[in-house]
Amino acid sequence: QKEVEQDPGPLSVPEGAIVSLNCTYSNSAFQYFMWYRQYSRKGPELLMYTYSSGNKEDGRFTAQVDKSSKYISLFIRDSQPSDSATYLCATYYGGATNKLIFGTGTLLAVQP
Amino acid sequence: DAGITQSPRHKVTETGTPVTLRCHQTENHRYMYWYRQDPGHGLRLIHYSYGVKDTDKGEVSDGYSVSRSKTEDFLLTLESATSSQTSVYFCAISELSNEQFFGPGTRLTVL
Repeated sequence: QKEVEQDPGPLSVPEGAIVSLNCTYSNSAFQYFMWYRQYSRKGPELLMYTYSSGNKEDGRFTAQVDKSSKYISLFIRDSQPSDSATYLCATYYGGATNKLIFGTGTLLAVQP
Repeated sequence: DAGITQSPRHKVTETGTPVTLRCHQTENHRYMYWYRQDPGHGLRLIHYSYGVKDTDKGEVSDGYSVSRSKTEDFLLTLESATSSQTSVYFCAISELSNEQFFGPGTRLTVL
């Protein structure tokens, strides 16, 4: 079993829809959770960063962590064609080395 | 790309040849990482560095070596390239905040 599982998609939605992207993880020791966005043929860029359970909002994006069920989510409101990208969840234990464990990524297409 | 460059950006090579990829940063970040990205596997850590001359193995280090002689440069070497090393390679950097910033990637094809 992979430490972080993510549905690869692809996920296709119409412009303006609410998008829900999800990951599950296996190790309850994970403390920090991130979402990266990766456009085609580009490097990943950090989108959201959360610690512990609860919600974190940034504009149209909301990251949610449920540690009891080991589930992390990213919600995109009023999705735009420019949101079309691969979204990767990531986590790590903490400590000095900052080694991240990534999900495989979900490919999102927002249709105009 | 947060002051990170990778070279070359594209490379085609033959099986058995040595290959070196370079990551250069202008941010003076302590930590540097090499990942490979493959369909169905996502990003996997190859090697990382936590300071000049301080490196350690990641999840998929077999067949790869690294060196870091200066803060700004982190080299990834494939001693004898194989077709299974065809991939997109990303360098990343981070400081104490543990947020990693990625370079633009190198697309390597081993024939």
